[in-house]
Amino acid sequence: DAKTTQPPSMDCAEGRAANLPCNHSTISGNEYVYWYRQIHSQGPQYIIHGLKNNETNEMASLIITEDRKSSTLILPHATLRDTAVYYCIVMASNYQLIWGAGTKLIIKP
Amino acid sequence: DAMVIQNPRYQVTQFGKPVTLSCSQTLNHNVMYWYQQKSSQAPKLLFHYYDKDFNNEADTPDNFQSRRPNTSFCFLDIRSPGLGDAAMYLCATSSGPGGYQPQHFGDGTRLSIL
Repeated sequence: DAKTTQPPSMDCAEGRAANLPCNHSTISGNEYVYWYRQIHSQGPQYIIHGLKNNETNEMASLIITEDRKSSTLILPHATLRDTAVYYCIVMASNYQLIWGAGTKLIIKP
Repeated sequence: DAMVIQNPRYQVTQFGKPVTLSCSQTLNHNVMYWYQQKSSQAPKLLFHYYDKDFNNEADTPDNFQSRRPNTSFCFLDIRSPGLGDAAMYLCATSSGPGGYQPQHFGDGTRLSIL
């Protein structure tokens, strides 16, 4: 199963774009990249997922490199409420989410 | 709003005293999951149900059991809790086969062992 590598922490100024990187160099061709976030004392919240193409929804954009070995989650206009641990996850075929250690994102006023 | 609801949010039990955590969903999803999350760690999958089919992770201790009496409800039973079982327990659901659907999580039950 593919594993993910993320920086342990990042800061971002409120109102700026937050770019969170993730490496998944051993990802298989049929494995999706998922992003979740977990705000303190809450359950993980689904953000976005993709296979090959870049994806965008109301929360974020996901940029996947052409070789699929890395991806970047972009929060276009970060707010204080975006402070959370962000997990980059590869979805294995047996339902199991392969969780990385996550990036603690702190949005500063 | 459709959602995943876990009760209670906080549960305290005594060492060795059985405890049951509950999860309900209004999403009508086929798959329900139980995760254990210890402090500053990522969630760890314990088991999941696809409809009535139970799937146990290989390293889930025998002390942990689960029941799913119907589509909407799923229970986690810890038969003889030890101090190492103190953690946040998360329930999640997803729709359809294949596993390529987002999982929707409840806010968890934080279990303390005295």
